[in-house]
Amino acid sequence: DAGVTQSPTHLIKTRGQQVTLRCSPKSGHDTVSWYQQALGQGPQFIFQYYEEEERQRGNFPDRFSGHQFPNYSSELNVNALLLGDSALYLCASSWAGGGNQPQHFGDGTRLSIL
Amino acid sequence: GIQVEQSPPDLILQEGANSTLRCNFSDSVNNLQWFHQNPWGQLINLFYIPSGTKQNGRLSATTVATERYSLLYISSSQTTDSGVYFCAATNYGGATNKLIFGTGTLLAVQP
Repeated sequence: DAGVTQSPTHLIKTRGQQVTLRCSPKSGHDTVSWYQQALGQGPQFIFQYYEEEERQRGNFPDRFSGHQFPNYSSELNVNALLLGDSALYLCASSWAGGGNQPQHFGDGTRLSIL
Repeated sequence: GIQVEQSPPDLILQEGANSTLRCNFSDSVNNLQWFHQNPWGQLINLFYIPSGTKQNGRLSATTVATERYSLLYISSSQTTDSGVYFCAATNYGGATNKLIFGTGTLLAVQP
């Protein structure tokens, strides 16, 4: 039973470029959330997708966008990259049914902006 | 929104020692999770514990929801326990199960 998988594991980009990160949820999960973790800080919620729609969004600019596919996998897109976007990006999945459910995290994508 | 605070911020232990990490939250919660982030950045689920007490090997956790705090106990610590411990909570009645993380406790276990 595969857990949450993310790709790529590492990525180096330059300012102004665009990046796409990918996430496959744990088997049986239908909800995907994305978090940004800057160095030395706790993860910060970016947004959550359920039924292919953005369900809730944290305090992040419109440069951050996402998508969820019919198979529940998800992408995070960041446009016009800034140096401050360098961080570990974590994907978490959960199951929407049965009330409030715990989230399970992938190993993350480490994004470096030069 | 809900705020989550953790203490202590840093902790150094000798191998074999016991420790208690604390998490305070500012409002009622639907969900409370404890994670261990290892030096490679992997965020590992330890407990899903919105209330009550759970144990898993040398680790146990207790959440007293009415008093808005949770405790993580580590007994007979090992060097592999080193890393950052986060607690994270979901606000009661929120639109989703998004997690609000504390700032973490950095634990170093020395041989």
